[in-house]
Amino acid sequence: EAQVTQNPRYLITVTGKKLTVTCSQNMNHEYMSWYRQDPGLGLRQIYYSMNVEVTDKGDVPEGYKVSRKEKRNFPLILESPSPNQTSLYFCASSFTSGQGSNSPLHFGNGTRLTVT
Amino acid sequence: QKEVEQDPGPLSVPEGAIVSLNCTYSNSAFQYFMWYRQYSRKGPELLMYTYSSGNKEDGRFTAQVDKSSKYISLFIRDSQPSDSATYLCASPMGARQLTFGSGTQLTVLP
Repeated sequence: EAQVTQNPRYLITVTGKKLTVTCSQNMNHEYMSWYRQDPGLGLRQIYYSMNVEVTDKGDVPEGYKVSRKEKRNFPLILESPSPNQTSLYFCASSFTSGQGSNSPLHFGNGTRLTVT
Repeated sequence: QKEVEQDPGPLSVPEGAIVSLNCTYSNSAFQYFMWYRQYSRKGPELLMYTYSSGNKEDGRFTAQVDKSSKYISLFIRDSQPSDSATYLCASPMGARQLTFGSGTQLTVLP
């Protein structure tokens, strides 16, 4: 089954304790992206990757890191989590990207992170 | 000002009603427009996409774009309880892929 898999689904942690949220897709997509979803603010892009070893900042990259060493995996790293990073996180992928593209984004089922 | 604005609702309608969901956008460069549907505890999934102005119909769903007024609409006919979800409008922007509205939460009551 074609899918984007995120782990874990739920995570509670404390301020400052490094964590990684994994994301993997089995559709051979070139483009991958991380979003956070907050009430009233909608989906905001954190980082995206056009292909292996190519990553770039989205709208809200502060406090996050990513890497794209393999085409299928795109982990999100929080080196020193803070309470304002409490949110619902989504990984997404698509064949291509860019203005004029209608290549749909496929989303994972989300990771709910709570930082105390 | 956000580039895509959407009334967050919540919107509650009886089963069988016609639902109208709306977005406005500010960037004239937007060419494609998409509607995503997000069920509770799930990621968004593409419902419909449309290019330029006009209507696009798919079963009970119709997507409408009015570029002159920068207005995007999604109509749901004969709404069902299974349509209860959050609906997000979106448009591609540069290499970042998509700019999303904040979503409208819809509940269809049986």
